[in-house]
Amino acid sequence: GESVGLHLPTLSVQEGDNSIINCAYSNSASDYFIWYKQESGKGPQFIIDIRSNMDKRQGQRVTVLLNKTVKHLSLQIAATQPGDSAVYFCAERYNFNKFYFGSGTKLNVKP
Amino acid sequence: DAGVTQSPTHLIKTRGQQVTLRCSPKSGHDTVSWYQQALGQGPQFIFQYYEEEERQRGNFPDRFSGHQFPNYSSELNVNALLLGDSALYLCASSLGTGVSLVFGQGTRLTVV
Repeated sequence: GESVGLHLPTLSVQEGDNSIINCAYSNSASDYFIWYKQESGKGPQFIIDIRSNMDKRQGQRVTVLLNKTVKHLSLQIAATQPGDSAVYFCAERYNFNKFYFGSGTKLNVKP
Repeated sequence: DAGVTQSPTHLIKTRGQQVTLRCSPKSGHDTVSWYQQALGQGPQFIFQYYEEEERQRGNFPDRFSGHQFPNYSSELNVNALLLGDSALYLCASSLGTGVSLVFGQGTRLTVV
């Protein structure tokens, strides 16, 4: 199957700063791209999704950007808080309902 | 709302044994997917069940099988366990083909 990869395994930011987590994907046929947050000892938690025909979508303190030309996805977190510390996964959906996840980026928020 | 419930939370099995993991989806959800998550890796799609049938399958051998019951709950069965099957097994539910998966806390399987 196609793979979803991430550029950086670990990202450290200062509390209050903005965070940007990047992801590269390879399957042009994917119709949705999704970001999940996984805290230690818990299952992944849905953050935000973007349809393949969009290039930007905003949520509460989060923005997802999709660049289909270079097959790049990013998650921007505004005013990062200690509670944002977790592993973040990008995922893509294709073949109607198969989801493929990247290997994750660990976000460390320093007080 | 209890969300997605998985049992057991931890399990230790011996190589060659068989294991059954259980999942109750979020109330109102009708689709259940199973994922395997190795330490430090992202979840890997095993299969998805809808209307009691396997609708999609990832790159996993036939040793991995599943079932969905009329109440939408699901089981994951793994036969002839290998050491490499040690992982966190996650169940996720959704409504139909929705992309907003709701995950359970997972079952940590250790094969010795």
